[in-house]
Amino acid sequence: EIVLTQSPATLSLSPGERATLSCRASQSVSSYLAWYQHKPGQAPRLLIYDASNRASGIPARFSGSGSGTDFTLTISSLEPEDFAVYYCQQRSNWPVTFGPGTKVDIK
Amino acid sequence: EVQLMESGGDLVQPGGSLRLSCAASGFTFSTYAMNWVRQAPGKGLEWVSSISGSGGSTYYADSVKGRFTISRDNSKNTLYLQMNSLRAEDTAVFYCAKGWSGYIDHWGQGTLVTVSS
Repeated sequence: EIVLTQSPATLSLSPGERATLSCRASQSVSSYLAWYQHKPGQAPRLLIYDASNRASGIPARFSGSGSGTDFTLTISSLEPEDFAVYYCQQRSNWPVTFGPGTKVDIK
Repeated sequence: EVQLMESGGDLVQPGGSLRLSCAASGFTFSTYAMNWVRQAPGKGLEWVSSISGSGGSTYYADSVKGRFTISRDNSKNTLYLQMNSLRAEDTAVFYCAKGWSGYIDHWGQGTLVTVSS
């Protein structure tokens, strides 16, 4: 099973600041990695797929990069609605696995 | 508009059974793989099970293998999860999720399963 590790566990930032979230895989997943946003009481939302492709309707301030074992989700300028938990997920190997999440909260 | 509506979550005793359902609309249901993903209280997302569009292939997390069964009725646009031998550690919000290229592009709002005596 591929283990995904996310860092930091919590990121405290102010609106307008840049957020940089990391996801590391225990073995190469090529570019088969997605990022999701999850707010309390809501359904998760797909942000990025195949490491760097924005899903439909996702604002341009969200971007993804990386390949192999190291990946980054960047939010260029945080909006109030961006404070949430972010998960990475790999689909390179069964079983599909998720990272433990990074919580982005308001400083 | 894609809609996924879970139902069937409840309080059940350890060792008991429960069947979750997910009514899907807004897309050609039989074309897409479907998934169940859960989130235990205070924890992250955990993939539970997947089923191909035809229903011919199914996949399970080791934590539920042999206890849970995923199925679908394409004539009713409905996904199911039969859960047997439930344990306290199965307590979670269960999400029905539409698959797309190995990822999940739409999620339901979730249904709560509580396993407790």
